[in-house]
Amino acid sequence: GAVVSQHPSRVICKSGTSVKIECRSLDFQATTMFWYRQFPKKSLMLMATSNEGSKATYEQGVEKDKFLINHASLTLSTLTVTSAHPEDSSFYICSVLETGGSGGRQPQHFGDGTRLSIL
Amino acid sequence: AQKVTQAQTEISVVEKEDVTLDCVYETRDTTYYLFWYKQPPSGELVFLIRRNSFDEQNEISGRYSWNFQKSTSSFNFTITASQVVDSAVYFCALSETSNKFYFGSGTKLNVKP
Repeated sequence: GAVVSQHPSRVICKSGTSVKIECRSLDFQATTMFWYRQFPKKSLMLMATSNEGSKATYEQGVEKDKFLINHASLTLSTLTVTSAHPEDSSFYICSVLETGGSGGRQPQHFGDGTRLSIL
Repeated sequence: AQKVTQAQTEISVVEKEDVTLDCVYETRDTTYYLFWYKQPPSGELVFLIRRNSFDEQNEISGRYSWNFQKSTSSFNFTITASQVVDSAVYFCALSETSNKFYFGSGTKLNVKP
């Protein structure tokens, strides 16, 4: 069964709306989650690392105030696209890192993604 | 610099042909993981394989096989006797000690009947 639940799977909304995307770890506690963005016909680019109980770490070029990340519990991280505009339309995918171990040894599980369309 | 390079943007083959998708990576870490994912039009990432940097054994799973060569920093993926259902975008990815994933640009595979 699914290890990661990402919701919603698709969102269509008007420009100026704020949109929240949830990423839930279903089978284990996750201190670290990642958020990726994929433009049409492009690769997935890491946006930020979500750390439970602390501030997210953003990749260069990603606007912190635009993409708010909250990781308030060990099973839930949320990405809020604030005041979304058409250029924010994209496919957003989260991934969950199983706790324990280090150095890339933990399995990483991806959500099914959220297709965001801003009109 | 690009950490993962998939030079083939798009490949078209006829059903039953074999096809190899190339992946070249770059890292300074001695411990790292390499992955292949399949992304169908619906968008979700389908995990295919994970390989750690210490295991250079080639792997075969049904019609899929992977060739990992550290000497050339390559991790190529071959589909034998391709089928229409294999049509998708395939991503090669690298995970270093930071656990961040670096994806290649993807190769779109079109398998025609």
